Amino acid sequence: NAGVTQTPKFRVLKTGQSMTLLCAQDMNHEYMYWYRQDPGMGLRLIHYSVGEGTTAKGEVPDGYNVSRLKKQNFLLGLESAAPSQTSVYFCASRPDRGLAEFLHNEQFFGPGTRLTVL
Amino acid sequence: GQQLNQSPQSMFIQEGEDVSMNCTSSSIFNTWLWYKQDPGEGPVLLIALYKAGELTSNGRLTAQFGITRKDSFLNISASIPSDVGIYFCAGHQETSGSRLTFGEGTQLTVNP
Repeated sequence: NAGVTQTPKFRVLKTGQSMTLLCAQDMNHEYMYWYRQDPGMGLRLIHYSVGEGTTAKGEVPDGYNVSRLKKQNFLLGLESAAPSQTSVYFCASRPDRGLAEFLHNEQFFGPGTRLTVL
Repeated sequence: GQQLNQSPQSMFIQEGEDVSMNCTSSSIFNTWLWYKQDPGEGPVLLIALYKAGELTSNGRLTAQFGITRKDSFLNISASIPSDVGIYFCAGHQETSGSRLTFGEGTQLTVNP
């Protein structure tokens, strides 16, 4: 299994440009998450999904949109990029709690996408 | 916003020394997780704690779930250069559904 993969790994945008970050997981996980990581601020949740066709807002959703058309993919979109969105973006997934108690809350992370908005 | 206070923010130690870091909260958590992030990589789970008072080890790492359910600590014994990275605590509350709350991270530097 490849686990959680993210595309692209690096990207530089100009202010106002749009782009989509792709997250894919091959573990048949129900839940998927998008975080951003900024220095000294840990991981902040942008949006998440509890299943195919569903999405919900996290802690910092403004300026982002998401879609979960297929169970294995979770897309994060920036419609009009701003310098404040310069960050490292991580995708994560986890199985439904019913599968195994010891996997109750653990999230599996992708390698990240480093985005710079000029 | 953030509900977990993680300390220290950074540590600079010599190889072979022991390390201790902790997370505290004013709220109760039913799960504590400790992750490590290597430079340029995503976080990887080190230890998961599911019961108050639980003490769990993973090699040179030991973590405990506080009895009050409001704190957790992580110890690393006999540090080595590859321990370098950012260590995050994360907690889960029943009221937060499928979401985790993350601490701000502890940046660990190990000098050979």
